[in-house]
Amino acid sequence: GDSVTQMEGPVTLSEEAFLTINCTYTATGYPSLFWYVQYPGEGLQLLLKATKADDKGSNKGFEATYRKETTSFHLEKGSVQVSDSAVYFCARDKVIFGPGTSLSVIP
Amino acid sequence: NAGVTQTPKFQVLKTGQSMTLQCAQDMNHEYMSWYRQDPGMGLRLIHYSVGAGITDQGEVPNGYNVSRSTTEDFPLRLLSAAPSQTSVYFCASSYGVRNTEAFFGQGTRLTVV
Repeated sequence: GDSVTQMEGPVTLSEEAFLTINCTYTATGYPSLFWYVQYPGEGLQLLLKATKADDKGSNKGFEATYRKETTSFHLEKGSVQVSDSAVYFCARDKVIFGPGTSLSVIP
Repeated sequence: NAGVTQTPKFQVLKTGQSMTLQCAQDMNHEYMSWYRQDPGMGLRLIHYSVGAGITDQGEVPNGYNVSRSTTEDFPLRLLSAAPSQTSVYFCASSYGVRNTEAFFGQGTRLTVV
């Protein structure tokens, strides 16, 4: 069936380090793809999305490109901040979520 | 603009008690869903609804009931609480199922003792 797989956490980075969180999906057809972020004690909120192949979603310095050929939607940020510490969820339409990746950024 | 409102935020139940978690949205979304979030397990879909009067089971429906009498409300009922239902519960809504983002409530932290 349709699913989303993302890299296991937790991930710990120093401030200003480069971040990559891998995400791959299985699907028939061409689903929309999303990244959600969950800050401590809060619900999930949309970070970015892409609706078709080669689209790049971006927000708050985060980027992800919809790669049909590799069925991937990896999340990247060039320089993380302490305030980016959160759990990140990759998702596809039909509200199918990956397991989440916890990110901790230390000063 | 309230978005998705969940109540209560915290709840402690004794084993065997029943309760209803409330979820309301004011965005006229057709699709609503309930998830539970447990450490290391990500989000697991409990029940969902594609519109008023229509509900269906998700991945982990046992021990939970839902109804959708209006577009706005989607309550989750625990008929006889068990310690295994200790979790954080999230309600979400979206305009549809495809190509649209989901909006989440703030969550309900439930402890069953």
